[in-house]
Amino acid sequence: DAGITQSPRHKVTETGTPVTLRCHQTENHRYMYWYRQDPGHGLRLIHYSYGVKDTDKGEVSDGYSVSRSKTEDFLLTLESATSSQTSVYFCASRPGLDSYEQYFGPGTRLTVT
Amino acid sequence: AQSVTQLDSQVPVFEEAPVELRCNYSSSVSVYLFWYVQYPNQGLQLLLKYLSGSTLVKGINGFEAEFNKSQTSFHLRKPSVHISDTAEYFCAVIPNQAGTALIFGKGTTLSVSS
Repeated sequence: DAGITQSPRHKVTETGTPVTLRCHQTENHRYMYWYRQDPGHGLRLIHYSYGVKDTDKGEVSDGYSVSRSKTEDFLLTLESATSSQTSVYFCASRPGLDSYEQYFGPGTRLTVT
Repeated sequence: AQSVTQLDSQVPVFEEAPVELRCNYSSSVSVYLFWYVQYPNQGLQLLLKYLSGSTLVKGINGFEAEFNKSQTSFHLRKPSVHISDTAEYFCAVIPNQAGTALIFGKGTTLSVSS
């Protein structure tokens, strides 16, 4: 398995507070992704990155921003958390354009009260 | 645009019975296909993938899937399930021309009981 870690693994925060989730990979993969998983919805793409400082929006990007200043780190920020952002967040990475398989981290469970 | 439909949200089976988890996709371009498994409180693990070649692909833990282009399906099968196969299973696709991210179905929960 690709070495992908996420931090924190669990977080409880209050509505209106900013939250940053971190994804770290040790495989020098070019692509990185943030998904959210909700019951009945499967995994939905929030944002992805195709290189350092190169990011793009996914299906459910409203209320989220991302940054990638180094190949190994991909940060997801909730500028002002809302209860609708309570979810399990997964990070994934992919080696490059010719490799289609994505490798997933263990997930972060975020609760917004 | 691509989409993935997993036809059963829950599949209960008894141990040692065969199982089929159904997946259909919609796409205007050719795609690559994947099945992932998620055990409770864990991340997703790749079960198998179809990129090209034989339409019957074998994966880990005794699972296999068959790509049917005419029916746009990629059903997952196992001839005899174990209690330890209890998990959520996700079908996913990515366009094979400049595809950027996997598109997932909503998942099928497989519950194996004795």
